Amino acid sequence: GAGVSQSPSNKVTEKGKDVELRCDPISGHTALYWYRQSLGQGLEFLIYFQGNSAPDKSGLPSDRFSAERTGGSVSTLTIQRTQQEDSAVYLCASTSQGAWTDTQYFGPGTRLTVL
Amino acid sequence: AQSVTQLDSQVPVFEEAPVELRCNYSSSVSVYLFWYVQYPNQGLQLLLKYLSGSTLVKGINGFEAEFNKSQTSFHLRKPSVHISDTAEYFCAVNKAAGNKLTFGGGTRVLVKP
Repeated sequence: GAGVSQSPSNKVTEKGKDVELRCDPISGHTALYWYRQSLGQGLEFLIYFQGNSAPDKSGLPSDRFSAERTGGSVSTLTIQRTQQEDSAVYLCASTSQGAWTDTQYFGPGTRLTVL
Repeated sequence: AQSVTQLDSQVPVFEEAPVELRCNYSSSVSVYLFWYVQYPNQGLQLLLKYLSGSTLVKGINGFEAEFNKSQTSFHLRKPSVHISDTAEYFCAVNKAAGNKLTFGGGTRVLVKP
């Protein structure tokens, strides 16, 4: 079946602009995660959605970052007023039920470059 | 808080030779351990995971890892590597009742012919 998909695959933007990154999880998966992979910081957790529960936003680095998940499926990560340090690969993952033992299935990522 | 240390950032290895990638973690609570692989320009793929039971875990592509609680380690091994194993490997932990992975810095494996 189809895996996790993300769009766009690459995004180049100018400093100060807003960007939206999209994630389509595996159909039927109730939990969705966003991570960021950057040269300086490695792989970092950003935010976690599980069903209709309030999201765990503990990894968001600043209030410029936000995410939503509509209809329990597609998620959008929004970065406002982008900065050069936001340049990274943004990875999305989903799991079937969100249990800590579940395997997280990752998408190919969106490479964001802020000029 | 938990942290994960991958002691080697790069490991060059010849084809058909064995490889061991080291991973140590620190945590005040029980954790569950994962190894992921990232091939060039691709997302992460699970190699194997340790949740409970036997401390020797076998995964895909001939990889295995051993959980050592006393040494807080979860080293990954493969007895004979292929060119196709060239990739970056990430060790990760998820604490019991947690919902997010904490990753190590990654180990880049370059298999040479």
